This record gives sequence, C-alpha cells and structure tokens, in this order.
Amino acid sequence: AQKITQTQPGMFVQEKEAVTLDCTYDTSDPSYGLFWYKQPSSGEMIFLIYQGSYDQQNATEGRYSLNFQKARKSANLVISASQLGDSAMYFCAMREDSNFGNEKLTFGTGTRLTIIP
Amino acid sequence: DSGVTQTPKHLITATGQRVTLRCSPRSGDLSVYWYQQSLDQGLQFLIQYYNGEERAKGNILERFSAQQFPDLHSELNLSSLELGDSALYFCASSGVAGDGTDTQYFGPGTRLTVL
Repeated sequence: AQKITQTQPGMFVQEKEAVTLDCTYDTSDPSYGLFWYKQPSSGEMIFLIYQGSYDQQNATEGRYSLNFQKARKSANLVISASQLGDSAMYFCAMREDSNFGNEKLTFGTGTRLTIIP
Repeated sequence: DSGVTQTPKHLITATGQRVTLRCSPRSGDLSVYWYQQSLDQGLQFLIQYYNGEERAKGNILERFSAQQFPDLHSELNLSSLELGDSALYFCASSGVAGDGTDTQYFGPGTRLTVL
C-alpha cells in the first residue's frame, strides 16, 4: 500500500498566488515525521519544512507552511505569494519513528509545480 | 548548500562495470543514507549507516554495497551494472537536532548513466 500519496502530478499557478500541494499518508505508527522537499530542475533535493506527529501547531518556514490534519492523515504544503523560482518538483516524505534505528524516508511520487509569470 | 558533498556529479559507464560513489556528510552528522531516484521507481531508500555501522537496509540489490569509514564519509559500490541501474543516487545525512527532527539533508546527487 502507498504510504505517501501525492495526487497532483502537475500544477500551474499564477505568480504571486498561493498554492497548496496535497499529501496524504498512511501509517499505524503513533510517532512519525512529515517532510517536504523541493527538487529544482538542477536535481538537488532541498529540505523545506518538517512536522512532527505530536506537534500541536502547524509548521511554518517563511513562505512555506504545512497544513497538518492528523485525523485525515494529510500534510499539505502551502506556499504563499508564489515566485518564479518556486517552479520545481515537490516531494512529501514520511519517517516512521518506531522502527528503532531505521530512519528511512518514504517519498511520494511528487508534484511538478510551474509558476506562470 | 546543504553541506553534504557527493562525487562525482556525473558518471557514464558500460554494462557489467563497477563504480564507486562517494559522500561526505555534514560536519557532525553521524548518519548517512543512500537513495536512488529513477523514473520508474521514484525515490527509494537503499541503506543507512550510523557512525560506521550499517543500521538499516531498504531495496538494495545484492550487486550494491556500501560502507561508512571512520571519518564518516561513505561510499556506495555498484557492480555488474545493468541499464536499469541508470539513476540519480543521493546521499543524505542527519544528526540529532535539538528539536528531535533528525532532518535529512541531501547532497547534490550523482547521476549514473549505464550504456
């Protein structure tokens, strides 16, 4: 079963608009972490934001925020005031914390975001 | 710049050959992870090392092996290469952050092309 699902293969958004990238996850582990990474066309993976399963508040990092809805098992990334430089692939990932010693990340298939000037 | 370095950036080789990919983690990070990104399989975890010891294995083929050295750099060895091994190979490292996130920071990747 897919542990991380990103249902939007591609999105086009006008510059300066806000955008929400969807991510749902599946785990029975009570302790886990959720991450978003950005992969520009140059190929590197850039860490954007983290949300822990026990965190009461949604994570924010500059223009990025994570809309964490635990009961729905969703962890959507919100980018405010999008910029041309936001055009990239975005990956949602999960780390299940009860696999002691195994801290692997499980990734979704990604969403390709294109910002239109 | 994540602080994780990988060499080489690009590697082109022939089927049946063996290659070594190298990774230096961020200063102070004890954990190193290897991931493979391919068009058909997406991003897949291969293996994790912690302070020189293998900690976890993912979908790593028997033809692949890795190690982490006392100076904490790591190498991923790929042998008997096949066309399907062509992919972007990432190394990531993590420490123990004060807030417990253990965020993995990725290197720039090594793009392997097997001809």
